[in-house]
Amino acid sequence: DTEVTQTPKHLVMGMTNKKSLKCEQHMGHRAMYWYKQKAKKPPELMFVYSYEKLSINESVPSRFSPECPNSSLLNLHLHALQPEDSALYLCASSQDWGHTSNTGELFFGEGSRLTVL
Amino acid sequence: AQKVTQAQTEISVVEKEDVTLDCVYETRDTTYYLFWYKQPPSGELVFLIRRNSFDEQNEISGRYSWNFQKSTSSFNFTITASQVVDSAVYFCALRNYGQNFVFGPGTRLSVLP
Repeated sequence: DTEVTQTPKHLVMGMTNKKSLKCEQHMGHRAMYWYKQKAKKPPELMFVYSYEKLSINESVPSRFSPECPNSSLLNLHLHALQPEDSALYLCASSQDWGHTSNTGELFFGEGSRLTVL
Repeated sequence: AQKVTQAQTEISVVEKEDVTLDCVYETRDTTYYLFWYKQPPSGELVFLIRRNSFDEQNEISGRYSWNFQKSTSSFNFTITASQVVDSAVYFCALRNYGQNFVFGPGTRLSVLP
């Protein structure tokens, strides 16, 4: 069983809706990530949080808004999305991030499959 | 610049056959890490192995084995006696020290009964 839990597993929303994706990990990891994955493509990095602070935003449109309430939780708030935003959104965590990181592996959740109508 | 190439887009084998998934990487750093992940239809990427650039020793874990060769910048993955449950997309990834992951395009493996 994965130690990174994502909810919901499936989400269908209209372009005017506001919704949120949630992610939780209890491995004591200090870095958390959002990735976007389109069909038949590798995951693409969106955001990195390190010690609850946003460290990387890969030029993601503002209709995606990340939030890290504490070291175990990561949210992705969605608003005014476009149909091309339909994808699998993966949350991941790692022990650390950045120049002090010395382990490297990411642990992923099962993802939230988003469909924008 | 960092880059990971997985030349095989899709592979189909019959159960019990051996199969090798190729991975070639590019980096100018001397310290880096290589990974393999498995993504079954459920969606989760499952971590399989991590190798650092100073450890070229090959590794075997059950039916899985990895061949790391710095001379050819390759980190290939072999499944021995494949099973239907091995059907998934496999990603090779590279991470330079202190930087983010670079994933290869993935290889879709289908193991037929």
